[in-house]
Amino acid sequence: NAGVTQTPKFQVLKTGQSMTLQCAQDMNHEYMSWYRQDPGMGLRLIHYSVGAGITDQGEVPNGYNVSRSTTEDFPLRLLSAAPSQTSVYFCASSLRPQGLNGYTFGSGTRLTVV
Amino acid sequence: ELKVEQNPLFLSMQEGKNYTIYCNYSTTSDRLYWYRQDPGKSLESLFVLLSNGAVKQEGRLMASLDTKARLSTLHITAAVHDLSATYFCAVAGGANSKLTFGKGITLSVRP
Repeated sequence: NAGVTQTPKFQVLKTGQSMTLQCAQDMNHEYMSWYRQDPGMGLRLIHYSVGAGITDQGEVPNGYNVSRSTTEDFPLRLLSAAPSQTSVYFCASSLRPQGLNGYTFGSGTRLTVV
Repeated sequence: ELKVEQNPLFLSMQEGKNYTIYCNYSTTSDRLYWYRQDPGKSLESLFVLLSNGAVKQEGRLMASLDTKARLSTLHITAAVHDLSATYFCAVAGGANSKLTFGKGITLSVRP
């Protein structure tokens, strides 16, 4: 049981480049979400999904796109990377949207935009 | 807009002593979560608190939730070095459980 798997673990991008951060879970969780963590800011919600085909914006969605074509995968796309997107990104999932069983976090992707 | 505040942001603890840290939030919610994060690592779930008066204990940590006061406390009994980490609380808002995190409290246990 792998839980929540994020790839890559580290990435350096040049300003203006695009990339996709991958997130996959094998627990049949309905709810998946993306957060970014910046020093002194806690974690901030970027986008979330309550099931395949359904996504919505969180607190800081600008510059990011998501889609959810399967229950297992929830990729996060950076369209044109900016230095302000340098951060650590975490994917989290929960069995049901209400989070009654808590949330499982992936190991994170550390992204640097130069 | 749901706001979550944790205080203090940094706490230096002496080994063997007891401490309490706090998590306040601004709007009604009955779902609160505590996480631990070690440097460079992911978030590890500590407690899931789902109702007013909920109390959960694991080892030297005990968490409680008072939904009327919009307050959760994390009590540390006889601090040990292994408890040094950053502790986050997160509150779920709305039907789709958009989690809002506090900024975290970094605990450091000294001999």
